[in-house]
Amino acid sequence: KAGVTQTPRYLIKTRGQQVTLSCSPISGHRSVSWYQQTPGQGLQFLFEYFSETQRNKGNFPGRFSGRQFSNSRSEMNVSTLELGDSALYLCASSLVGNEQYFGPGTRLTVT
Amino acid sequence: GENVEQHPSTLSVQEGDSAVIKCTYSDSASNYFPWYKQELGKRPQLIIDIRSNVGEKKDQRIAVTLNKTAKHFSLHITETQPEDSAVYFCAASHTGNQFYFGTGTSLTVIP
Repeated sequence: KAGVTQTPRYLIKTRGQQVTLSCSPISGHRSVSWYQQTPGQGLQFLFEYFSETQRNKGNFPGRFSGRQFSNSRSEMNVSTLELGDSALYLCASSLVGNEQYFGPGTRLTVT
Repeated sequence: GENVEQHPSTLSVQEGDSAVIKCTYSDSASNYFPWYKQELGKRPQLIIDIRSNVGEKKDQRIAVTLNKTAKHFSLHITETQPEDSAVYFCAASHTGNQFYFGTGTSLTVIP
């Protein structure tokens, strides 16, 4: 099976702009989770989607949002970008209750 | 919510020695504990996992132990090799697919 893919791989934005990241899960996986990874902070959970519904949400401001489509592909959106949003954004897909498989990530730089 | 603590944050060992990384969790409802290895510039990769109905699991040079009473689990790598050098993350999960990650351990194996 093809692995988890994420687009774009790299992105440079300026403060105040918004950005949309995309994640395509492994075929058959209906759960998609998003994480923010920064040096020293590890992997911070953003949210998890299953069957187009957000089931779990981490402790991030409302500027971070997401959605999932009927084909399980997911997008996350960050509005009004801040410098502190610079990070590697990882998505992971899984069958419920099983191991997560990570995508390669999108490296977002906010200037 | 769940809180996962991971120690040490950095670990250096001589090639051939063993390495042990420890994690504690707070929520007794957590029942799935995966370990991920992340090499520089790469995505996290699952290396081993354990469920709460098992006390120990081994896969070649890697083993994980779980103590539910004390709420801690550990990763053991024996006969370390330079290619084991990476950042290792532990995680705990219970509610659907919400995973809580430790802050990571940077392992360096010195040839």
